Amino acid sequence: AQSVTQPDIHITVSEGASLELRCNYSYGATPYLFWYVQSPGQGLQLLLKYFSGDTLVQGIKGFEAEFKRSQSSFNLRKPSVHWSDAAEYFCAVGLTGNQFYFGTGTSLTVIP
Amino acid sequence: EAGVAQSPRYKIIEKRQSVAFWCNPISGHATLYWYQQILGQGPKLLIQFQNNGVVDDSQLPKDRFSAERLKGVDSTLKIQPAKLEDSAVYLCASSLTASGRREQYFGPGTRLTVT
Repeated sequence: AQSVTQPDIHITVSEGASLELRCNYSYGATPYLFWYVQSPGQGLQLLLKYFSGDTLVQGIKGFEAEFKRSQSSFNLRKPSVHWSDAAEYFCAVGLTGNQFYFGTGTSLTVIP
Repeated sequence: EAGVAQSPRYKIIEKRQSVAFWCNPISGHATLYWYQQILGQGPKLLIQFQNNGVVDDSQLPKDRFSAERLKGVDSTLKIQPAKLEDSAVYLCASSLTASGRREQYFGPGTRLTVT
C-alpha cells in the first residue's frame, strides 16, 4: 500500500545535540517531498522541500534533508538542536495527481 | 502578506449538534484544502477546492460533512450531526495552484471537542 512512514513517534534529544528524523515513502515514482513543523497550537510551517536535482536540500531554521532514492527515504537533520525546535514534525508526499499525504508525525522533546 | 485565517480557534459541542468552521485563504491562492488532524496522527485531507470547484472529496464523510467555497475565496466546513470521533483539529490550507509540488500554507486550525 502507498504510504508515508515516520518510524519514530517520539524523540528526545539534549539541547546542542544533533538530530535526525526518519521518513520513508512507498510510491511508484519519486514524489515531491516535504517536511513541515507544527508547534503547539499552531498550524504547519514548511521547513524544506525536494522536487529534483541536488539530493541534499537546505531549509529554514538550520534544517536540512537528504533524499535517498535507493532507500525511499527523506530524512531530516539538524547539527545542533535548540530548545525552540521542540515541536511535531511531519514528512509529506505530493504526487503528480494533486494528491498530498502526511506521515503520522514525530514529536521532538528537547531537554536542557 | 496575511496568512490563512481560520475561525473559531476552539469549539466545544455536544454530539448530534452541528458546527461550522470558516477559512479565508491567502489572497490569490486558487486552491484551498480542509484537513482533519486527530490527536497523535498526521493531517488527513477531507476536501480540496480549485477556485470554487471540488477537486477531491474522496475522504469527506458526506453523510455528515459538507463544505463550500462560494466565489472561490473563503470557505466553510460544516458537520451535522457531530459524533464523538469528530473531535480533532480542523486545518485549512491554501496554495497557488492544485499541484502536488506546490507548498501549502496552513492556518492555525480549529480545535473541535465533541462531548
